[in-house]
Amino acid sequence: ETGVTQSPTHLIKTRGQQVTLRCSSQSGHNTVSWYQQALGQGPQFIFQYYREEENGRGNFPPRFSGLQFPNYSSELNVNALELDDSALYLCASSSETANTEAFFGQGTRLTVV
Amino acid sequence: AQRVTQPEKLLSVFKGAPVELKCNYSYSGSPELFWYVQYSRQRLQLLLRHISRESIKGFTADLNKGETSFHLKKPFAQEEDSAMYYCALSRIGGYNKLIFGAGTRLAVHP
Repeated sequence: ETGVTQSPTHLIKTRGQQVTLRCSSQSGHNTVSWYQQALGQGPQFIFQYYREEENGRGNFPPRFSGLQFPNYSSELNVNALELDDSALYLCASSSETANTEAFFGQGTRLTVV
Repeated sequence: AQRVTQPEKLLSVFKGAPVELKCNYSYSGSPELFWYVQYSRQRLQLLLRHISRESIKGFTADLNKGETSFHLKKPFAQEEDSAMYYCALSRIGGYNKLIFGAGTRLAVHP
């Protein structure tokens, strides 16, 4: 059974650019959630994808968007990057079966300069 | 508003001392409460959830709906317990859409 993997691990972008982060869910999981973790803070829920559809969104602007593919892997896209978007982006996968655990990836560290 | 509050950024204790990491929540409805832990250079992982009513690595947490609290306790801290601890909540049946607190760093000294 493979765990949740995220790519890349680190990247640096310039303000105004666009970025795509990727997440491969754990085997057997059909639900992927994305979180933003700013320095010194807990993770904040961005959105969740379930069976390729968005299934809930946190308080993030529309320039944060996502996709889920038939193999349940997922992408997080951020347009018009701002300095405050600098953070660790975490992906978590789970199953819709009740009482299952969410498994987290190691995160992607995004720095916007 | 849905919110999780962890009032302590850092909790420093000696090995063998009791530990209590505080967590209070605000939620309109029936939440599910969790504790997640992140050891140095490792990914965030589930420690325990209130519906399981388990003791994991000697840690327990009881949901107190009257005080809207879910404090994490361990009677005798070990050095390997040193980590970042996050309290989180989700709507029951909410597919793990988690609201996290800011976290408490537990440092256990020899």
